[in-house]
Amino acid sequence: GAGVSQSPSNKVTEKGKDVELRCDPISGHTALYWYRQSLGQGLEFLIYFQGNSAPDKSGLPSDRFSAERTGGSVSTLTIQRTQQEDSAVYLCASSPPSAGALIGTDTQYFGPGTRLTVL
Amino acid sequence: EDQVTQSPEALRLQEGESSSLNCSYTVSGLRGLFWYRQDPGKGPEFLFTLYSAGEEKEKERLKATLTKKESFLHITAPKPEDSATYLCAVQAEGGSEKLVFGKGMKLTVNP
Repeated sequence: GAGVSQSPSNKVTEKGKDVELRCDPISGHTALYWYRQSLGQGLEFLIYFQGNSAPDKSGLPSDRFSAERTGGSVSTLTIQRTQQEDSAVYLCASSPPSAGALIGTDTQYFGPGTRLTVL
Repeated sequence: EDQVTQSPEALRLQEGESSSLNCSYTVSGLRGLFWYRQDPGKGPEFLFTLYSAGEEKEKERLKATLTKKESFLHITAPKPEDSATYLCAVQAEGGSEKLVFGKGMKLTVNP
């Protein structure tokens, strides 16, 4: 089946502009995650959505970053007033409904990412 | 704070030369440890999840093992197509579903 898809694959913007990044999770997956991968750094957690629960926004680096998930499927990550330090690859992942605590952790499946360059 | 450290940062091997990659971690309570492979310009590709010390999993030339403080990814008789960046991540108990990643280890296998 289709994997996680992200668009655009590349985005070049000018400092101060707003950008929107899109993620389409795997069909049937209830959990959706955003991560950021900066050059030379590990993946950094940004935000997590699970069903109708309140999202875990603990990784968002500033109030310029926000994300929505409409209808429990597609998600949009918005960065307002972009800065050069926002340049990175933004990765989205999804995971299936939890089978219960006894089964263990659900695997996160990643999309190809959006490479954001802020000039 | 949960932390993951991978070593070495980069490794060059000759085809057929076996080796191991190390992932050491500190976490309040381990829910799962993940290994991913990432090729240039692509998203991470899932390899293994390990849940408890002593657990081992294998896939082709790769075997992952887990202790209470670290995990190893053993590569047996690697081929050039095994060249990639290998990522280790942990998920902690206590509600948050986020993965905490190490910086990765770039493996190059020369023919």
